[in-house]
Amino acid sequence: QSALTQPRSVSASPGQSVTIPCTGTSSDIGAYDLVSWYQEHPDKAPTVIIYDVTKRPSGVPDRFSGSKSGNTASLTISGLQAEDEAEYYCCSYAGGSTHVVFGGGTKVTVL
Amino acid sequence: VQLQESGPGLVKPSETLSLTCTVSGGSISNYYLSWIRQPPGKGLEWIGYIYHSGGTKYNPSLNSRVSISSDTSKNQLSLQLTSVTAADTAVYYCARHSRGYSSDFRTWGQGTLVTVSS
Repeated sequence: QSALTQPRSVSASPGQSVTIPCTGTSSDIGAYDLVSWYQEHPDKAPTVIIYDVTKRPSGVPDRFSGSKSGNTASLTISGLQAEDEAEYYCCSYAGGSTHVVFGGGTKVTVL
Repeated sequence: VQLQESGPGLVKPSETLSLTCTVSGGSISNYYLSWIRQPPGKGLEWIGYIYHSGGTKYNPSLNSRVSISSDTSKNQLSLQLTSVTAADTAVYYCARHSRGYSSDFRTWGQGTLVTVSS
């Protein structure tokens, strides 16, 4: 069981938007603005698409956005494209003795 | 910066898993570097990290079995996981943090599959 909770899957048609919630606790997501999101395509290493809750690394399209409210972070993909079909993982710094925790992953399917 | 994992692809149960990550394009002394694993068909699990002073932090669930070290002369970091079982079968990644005390793994190796089996 992962420390952060994500839905197993979400789906939408091209051009639509999807939002993936990631629920943690007051010791991880709620305590730090240090949430990242990773995109993973089959047989490829994950790549970071959001860091520090809302920031995008250079080269990541602006249709990817992040937010946080309380103990829940969210990733929104606007204007869904076929190449966005992938697994998405949230990750939070947690400090203390836990340090870093991942979510279980969400499969995004483009219908 | 590029990262490349290497090591045995097959380890016997109860033995020690040993992997190396070779870093190119920058000195490991400047970075926080983590090991992360992914069992087949499952999610990501953070194993631990080492930072520039040589200090380490580990996942509490693996703390008693894991050790991460670095060799600055070779620009490599290493992972040792003792008393392995089939549950330790996974793709093992090394990853560079963008900075300390963050969850931003900016650069990843391609990963190496380790199977635990007799």
